[in-house]
Amino acid sequence: DGGITQSPKYLFRKEGQNVTLSCEQNLNHDAMYWYRQDPGQGLRLIYYSQIVNDFQKGDIAEGYSVSREKKESFPLTVTSAQKNPTAFYLCASGGIGSYEQYFGPGTRLTVT
Amino acid sequence: AQKITQTQPGMFVQEKEAVTLDCTYDTSDQSYGLFWYKQPSSGEMIFLIYQGSYDEQNATEGRYSLNFQKARKSANLVISASQLGDSAMYFCAMRREYGNKLVFGAGTILRVKS
Repeated sequence: DGGITQSPKYLFRKEGQNVTLSCEQNLNHDAMYWYRQDPGQGLRLIYYSQIVNDFQKGDIAEGYSVSREKKESFPLTVTSAQKNPTAFYLCASGGIGSYEQYFGPGTRLTVT
Repeated sequence: AQKITQTQPGMFVQEKEAVTLDCTYDTSDQSYGLFWYKQPSSGEMIFLIYQGSYDEQNATEGRYSLNFQKARKSANLVISASQLGDSAMYFCAMRREYGNKLVFGAGTILRVKS
């Protein structure tokens, strides 16, 4: 089945540790995105990539890093520099020129 | 800069009745797209409906329709014949026509009562 997978669904980390969230898509989409959602709020864009080996910062990129070595994969690393990392993280993908973005099921990260 | 405002934090509707979720937007772009997404308690984001700024007809998808009033910069979602499964968070979003960034509103929680 075509779609976007994110793993794991729940992730727990100690403060000061880096953590990498996985996002894989088999939709053959060129563009991929990472959003952060805090309780009771909308989504905010962290990073996005329109093509392999290229990515751009979104509105809240500080404390995060990404890579795009393969078209299918767009992992997000939450570094220890991110002051409030506990949140729900959603990955999305879309075709260039297509209006729709397809979302993965999300990863809920808790840092204590 | 683009901005989405959803003024209703929460709404209740009786099963089988229609409900309107409000969305106003602000942009200086001439060409843009407007979206509605549904987020159930599981957290996934489900695309519901899309309206392009140059589309003259209101978009419809099954029980969902988008009441687009360009001069008033509003893009309200109308859900007809509400079902219990419609209970969820609903987000309005917009993007430039060929842009990549979706800008989201804060969302409206809808509860359907039996």
